[in-house]
Amino acid sequence: SQQGEEDPQALSIQEGENATMNCSYKTSINNLQWYRQNSGRGLVHLILIRSNEREKHSGRLRVTLDTSKKSSSLLITASRAADTASYFCATDANSGAGSYQLTFGKGTKLSVIP
Amino acid sequence: DSGVTQTPKHLITATGQRVTLRCSPRSGDLSVYWYQQSLDQGLQFLIQYYNGEERAKGNILERFSAQQFPDLHSELNLSSLELGDSALYFCASSVYGGELFFGEGSRLTVL
Repeated sequence: SQQGEEDPQALSIQEGENATMNCSYKTSINNLQWYRQNSGRGLVHLILIRSNEREKHSGRLRVTLDTSKKSSSLLITASRAADTASYFCATDANSGAGSYQLTFGKGTKLSVIP
Repeated sequence: DSGVTQTPKHLITATGQRVTLRCSPRSGDLSVYWYQQSLDQGLQFLIQYYNGEERAKGNILERFSAQQFPDLHSELNLSSLELGDSALYFCASSVYGGELFFGEGSRLTVL
């Protein structure tokens, strides 16, 4: 079952514009991560934000986390055609004893038009 | 390159057959995770191993099994295959928790 749900499901923008994707989740988390997947390829980690953090930056990426609303957003500034990919949020479910389960949403498909 | 190696990259087989997918984690990573990605179900967590022991189980069918060997490589066995098992199967690894490093996946087609 999906813990995180991304919104929108698909987003099409012009090169140079900013892209914002949102993620909502249901239960308490330790951290939230964002991953990127080019079509048919493996997922690549973008950024991790811990539950006690509110905002994090990495290059052109900005992630916010609102634990009271159980939501996160990923902002990609000055988008490029190479940013075209699917973006997933993932939340952890540590159940102790060395188990670690990262649950992914269904993703936002971003298309950046040159 | 994530450092995670999956073989085979593509596999075509018939219903009722059995296949084995192989994963070599990044050097030093003790945890291995298996995920199934299909169009309708999205990315589903199947199972996690840590240093040879099963630690977390997700939506893994009874027809599927996995193991992690002493050299830390892992295998996912899929048996009595059905058309609906056609999917991309990803292996990922990590030291423990945190960021996962994904392989390029094994694309399984069941005819």
